[in-house]
Amino acid sequence: DAGVTQSPTHLIKTRGQQVTLRCSPKSGHDTVSWYQQALGQGPQFIFQYYEEEERQRGNFPDRFSGHQFPNYSSELNVNALLLGDSALYLCASSVLLELSTDTQYFGPGTRLTVL
Amino acid sequence: ILNVEQSPQSLHVQEGDSTNFTCSFPSSNFYALHWYRWETAKSPEALFVMTLNGDEKKKGRISATLNTKEGYSYLYIKGSQPEDSATYLCALNTGGFKTIFGAGTRLFVKA
Repeated sequence: DAGVTQSPTHLIKTRGQQVTLRCSPKSGHDTVSWYQQALGQGPQFIFQYYEEEERQRGNFPDRFSGHQFPNYSSELNVNALLLGDSALYLCASSVLLELSTDTQYFGPGTRLTVL
Repeated sequence: ILNVEQSPQSLHVQEGDSTNFTCSFPSSNFYALHWYRWETAKSPEALFVMTLNGDEKKKGRISATLNTKEGYSYLYIKGSQPEDSATYLCALNTGGFKTIFGAGTRLFVKA
């Protein structure tokens, strides 16, 4: 059983460019959450997708957008990249994260460097 | 804004030492507390989930306690092994679908 997968593993962009990161959830999972981990910090919640809709959003600007496809995979898009967007982006999947005790399963992350 | 603090930031121990570290948060302002282990170049992996009734959890040499009244959780590792070297993350679910993470404690176990 493949766990959560993310692509690409790492990439380098320049300021002002746009980037798309991809996530495939663990088999049987229908909910995908995205997190940004900057250096020295814990993962920060960006947003969560369920049934192809954004269900909740953290404190991130509109430059951060996402999408969930019918097969539950998800994309994170970041427009007009800033140097401060350089971070590790983690995707986590779960089965309808309704209960606070539900466990999320994380992917290995995509390392984004903005020059 | 709910703040989750973890201490120490990093910890170096010898193989065989027992160790513990702390996750602190505003008391009772959450629904569940999760501990994750994150080894270098791998994905964060769930260790424990703890609820407000303050239960203690144990998995092998690792255990965790929760004090909701005073707002902290301890993670203990008995007889540390080099394979325990990882970052240990604490995360609070505050209701809804949002999880708030601490910055983690990075544990180095020297053989």
